[in-house]
Amino acid sequence: QLQLQESGPGMVMPSETLSLTCSVSGGSISSSGYYWGWFRQPPGKGLEWIGSIYYSGSADYNPSVKSRVSISVDTSKNQFYLRLGSVTAADTAVYFCASAYDSTGYYSPWGQGTLITVSS
Amino acid sequence: SYELTQPPSVSVSPGQTASITCSGDELGEKYVCWYQQKAGQSPVLVIYQDDKRPSGIPERFSGSNSGNTATLTISGTQAMDEADYYCQAWDSGTAVFGAGTKVTVL
Repeated sequence: QLQLQESGPGMVMPSETLSLTCSVSGGSISSSGYYWGWFRQPPGKGLEWIGSIYYSGSADYNPSVKSRVSISVDTSKNQFYLRLGSVTAADTAVYFCASAYDSTGYYSPWGQGTLITVSS
Repeated sequence: SYELTQPPSVSVSPGQTASITCSGDELGEKYVCWYQQKAGQSPVLVIYQDDKRPSGIPERFSGSNSGNTATLTISGTQAMDEADYYCQAWDSGTAVFGAGTKVTVL
């Protein structure tokens, strides 16, 4: 059964870069047709799709963060990554990773999420 | 940018039917999925491709999508169904979520 687990620093300084890792187990990140996505949820607010990547390295991003975000994949480690630059307090959120079958499919399962606080 | 509109809250008595709407321009032309998120937990897919239930999701959850509105229906609502529910669709290569509906089982 596919499982995803986010990991990250917990706290990031304003203007710096947020880096997160999503570790995939129970299946291969190189499986044909599967896409790997990042999401976030500010405290008390709704879900936002940040972007997704295919194992080939092809990525798509939400226009709202496209200028600051990069998603990459390491098939040898069965992991994919999120980098979000120039963070502000508005980037404080629980960050989730999830998988989808198809580039415009539905996401399931999701990781448990990791809270990232942007603060000095 | 594309927007999906959900009511902020829905209240339902145990055993009754809860209906959660999700509205968007020509939404019926897109596939809609629904996620359930209980307090402090990650989202769980409950409906995909408008009306399909993933394995393990109770039959009381059903979905429909036509015109400008998609609907998630919970029949015979149970206390365990109390959660936030989010609709999601794709527009121009971007995944779009509704703001979420809090379902309270009174």
